[in-house]
Amino acid sequence: DGGITQSPKYLFRKEGQNVTLSCEQNLNHDAMYWYRQDPGQGLRLIYYSQIVNDFQKGDIAEGYSVSREKKESFPLTVTSAQKNPTAFYLCASSRNSDSSYEQYFGPGTRLTVT
Amino acid sequence: AQRVTQPEKLLSVFKGAPVELKCNYSYSGSPELFWYVQYSRQRLQLLLRHISRESIKGFTADLNKGETSFHLKKPFAQEEDSAMYYCALGFQGAQKLVFGQGTRLTINP
Repeated sequence: DGGITQSPKYLFRKEGQNVTLSCEQNLNHDAMYWYRQDPGQGLRLIYYSQIVNDFQKGDIAEGYSVSREKKESFPLTVTSAQKNPTAFYLCASSRNSDSSYEQYFGPGTRLTVT
Repeated sequence: AQRVTQPEKLLSVFKGAPVELKCNYSYSGSPELFWYVQYSRQRLQLLLRHISRESIKGFTADLNKGETSFHLKKPFAQEEDSAMYYCALGFQGAQKLVFGQGTRLTINP
């Protein structure tokens, strides 16, 4: 393991509070991704970034925000506008090469909002 | 739109029996297909990719472009194969993977 890390492993917040999830990688990968994993719904893409200072919305971006100020870091903020924030969040990275789309995943952060 | 379908949310087989996890995709070009696996309390990890044409942990998967399928197979299931399996599609210009909904495989002793 290693290479891509997420912290914390578990996170608890009160409803109405924003919370930021950390994702760091030392793989020198250009691209980074945030997914949400819910039982029976698979992996759903929230945001992704192909290069520093640029990012795109995924399939379920509403209520989330991201930044990509450094190549190694891609933090995700879950805002109070996210209607159902309790979930398991996965960060991933890839080389962003035309010859490979393989992604490497972090260990995940389980967010519970009450 | 590109899509990956895993028709079985749950699959249960007995130890030693053959196992097949189905994956169908929709994409008219040249796809890159992956199988990812998530064991209990472990991170999601790549199991195999079609361009490697290799067998990992006894699993194989063949890309069938005619049927747009990439089913994962193993002739003799083992208890340690119990996990969540995701099929994923990569394609030129997408800059991202499209994942199926996943199949939870349980191997009964």
